[in-house]
Amino acid sequence: QSALTQPASVSGSPGQSITISCTGTSSDVGGYNYVSWYQQHPGKAPKLMIYVVSNRPSGVSDRFSGSKSGNTASLTISGLQAEDEADYYCNSFTSSNTHVFGTGTKVTVL
Amino acid sequence: EVQLVESGGGLVQPGGSLRLSCSASGFTFSAHPMNWVRQAPGKGLDWVSYINNNSDTIYYADPVKGRFTVSRDNAKNSLYLQLNNLRAEDTALYYCARDGGRGGENDYWGQGTLVTVSS
Repeated sequence: QSALTQPASVSGSPGQSITISCTGTSSDVGGYNYVSWYQQHPGKAPKLMIYVVSNRPSGVSDRFSGSKSGNTASLTISGLQAEDEADYYCNSFTSSNTHVFGTGTKVTVL
Repeated sequence: EVQLVESGGGLVQPGGSLRLSCSASGFTFSAHPMNWVRQAPGKGLDWVSYINNNSDTIYYADPVKGRFTVSRDNAKNSLYLQLNNLRAEDTALYYCARDGGRGGENDYWGQGTLVTVSS
């Protein structure tokens, strides 16, 4: 199972919105709504930000939103803040009953 | 408060074995499937294995199939990963993570235990 494809880096100024894409196939992202997103700060464990494509866990800011179209899922961060600077990973369930992560995206706040 | 604490990592020679443990607290462990996820130094996240709440459904990533074995003891609130025939490419921080049960998401993670495979 190949990793889902994410841009290596995305940047934006404080207050701006950015979107991170996550491209897979009909055997993973396109075939299931079991897409989740994780934020990871350096030296820390990942944190769940979005589950089932567009749902936010309790305590996660509503500046984070998720969507999906075809084989591509997206995470949008609106009103970018310095604390959002981190690595972000998507994850999808697959037709092999496994999970696959994305390649990861480094978000930089300019 | 949900807590997951991994242990058992260390330095091992190629071909060697290790057993990782994950101790869970703050929730009903027997009600949740669990996952192991690893992260090689400076690299991305890599899903390793899944076990459902009563151990009758288990899945592995292809690179570890036949070498790693996941298990759990609900009476001890513990998850395990037996790593055999280790290779240099298995060097990573190994996380246990709780499956939230809504769509395969990992809603709580431990801090990880480091496995280094080197001669």
